Amino acid sequence: EVQLVQSGAEVKKPGESLRISCKGSGYSFTSYWISWVRQMPGKGLEWMGRIDPSDSYTNYSPSFQGHVTISADKSISTAYLQWSSLKASDTAMYYCARHTDSSGYSFDYWGQGTLVTVSS
Amino acid sequence: EIVLTQSPATLSLSPGERATLSCRASQSVSSYLAWYQQKPGQAPRLLIYDASNRATGIPARFSGSGSGTDFTLTISSLEPEDFAVYYCQQRSNLYTFGQGTKLEIK
Repeated sequence: EVQLVQSGAEVKKPGESLRISCKGSGYSFTSYWISWVRQMPGKGLEWMGRIDPSDSYTNYSPSFQGHVTISADKSISTAYLQWSSLKASDTAMYYCARHTDSSGYSFDYWGQGTLVTVSS
Repeated sequence: EIVLTQSPATLSLSPGERATLSCRASQSVSSYLAWYQQKPGQAPRLLIYDASNRATGIPARFSGSGSGTDFTLTISSLEPEDFAVYYCQQRSNLYTFGQGTKLEIK
């Protein structure tokens, strides 16, 4: 069974750093890209960026370039999304999702989401 | 960046009715468009990819059409579980999502 399991909810203060994770199982982790998607409270979906776990090649949305870092450790089938200095506006649900050519590079499996709350 | 505009923002229909949701791209995305369904408290679910291909396990009442800049998601006869928010997504130039259409019970 394909699964993407994300790390648990986080409560942080502005200026703190954070890394959240997404662990894939039930498939070949290096055969699928992983994307991260933000959903702010009551709002729509925003694509943040993606990584190819086989070589850690990344692309970012212009809206998120320089604000977050996406990485992966293929030895443990895990992708990461990290911030060096959080802002209150980073409060959101964050989803990871996998994609490859078998579903037209669309996001066929999603993680359950990680809620990040940034508040002083 | 390619902008996707979905209409209407909210669609009020009754079970059994036909739903037609639209997505317009700011420039051609060929057939590289997907549709997702999201219910409250859940992750999105892939319905349609490459404009007209149903994802695995998606009922036949869901269909997609279009190419270039204009796309449509049609639900032929609404079931109670279909009331949700629907998003389109392009993959012609990286990825972007539309702002969503909320399908609500009338």
